[in-house]
Amino acid sequence: EDKVVQSPLSLVVHEGDTVTLNCSYEVTNFRSLLWYKQEKKAPTFLFMLTSSGIEKKSGRLSSILDKKELFSILNITATQTGDSAIYLCAVEALDDKIIFGKGTRLHILP
Amino acid sequence: KAGVTQTPRYLIKTRGQQVTLSCSPISGHRSVSWYQQTPGQGLQFLFEYFSETQRNKGNFPGRFSGRQFSNSRSEMNVSTLELGDSALYLCASRTGTVSYEQYFGPGTRLTVT
Repeated sequence: EDKVVQSPLSLVVHEGDTVTLNCSYEVTNFRSLLWYKQEKKAPTFLFMLTSSGIEKKSGRLSSILDKKELFSILNITATQTGDSAIYLCAVEALDDKIIFGKGTRLHILP
Repeated sequence: KAGVTQTPRYLIKTRGQQVTLSCSPISGHRSVSWYQQTPGQGLQFLFEYFSETQRNKGNFPGRFSGRQFSNSRSEMNVSTLELGDSALYLCASRTGTVSYEQYFGPGTRLTVT
């Protein structure tokens, strides 16, 4: 059965810290891996990764995919209180199905 | 461009009742997907409609059904509600098959008592 596992499930750090969120997957016919940020209700898109070893970067956020070891990480440097959210990892298969992980709840203390 | 809209935003129902949720996608988007989000299970895929046809379906019982209209608006129906159906129901739209263009609506919070 296809699955996406995120760790840790929750994380509390202080402002300014760097965090690494993990996502491992077992999905048949992998197409892409997606990261979303969910603050209140609607998840918003962060990154899409399809190739191994190529880092995607947006400001203080970056992500990389390892298709051999079947995982991805999302890094956030110099965290701010506005980074507090649930971070969702999802994998899309070639049949267009999207499987989400349970998310990592990140809380940044001022 | 208006975003994805969902109605109602909040709903309280009792066990055994049925409920219909509505989702209006972004203009021009032909694909609508539905998800159930609970604290224990996270975000789980229900089904996806594209051009009025169900294209994919998750592992949910037959009590969960949906449809899509010619204007791409979609409805989701849950019959014989159970307490465990209490969740945030999110819909997302996209133009076609390119995932990163998937935009989520604000969700409908369903509480079953």
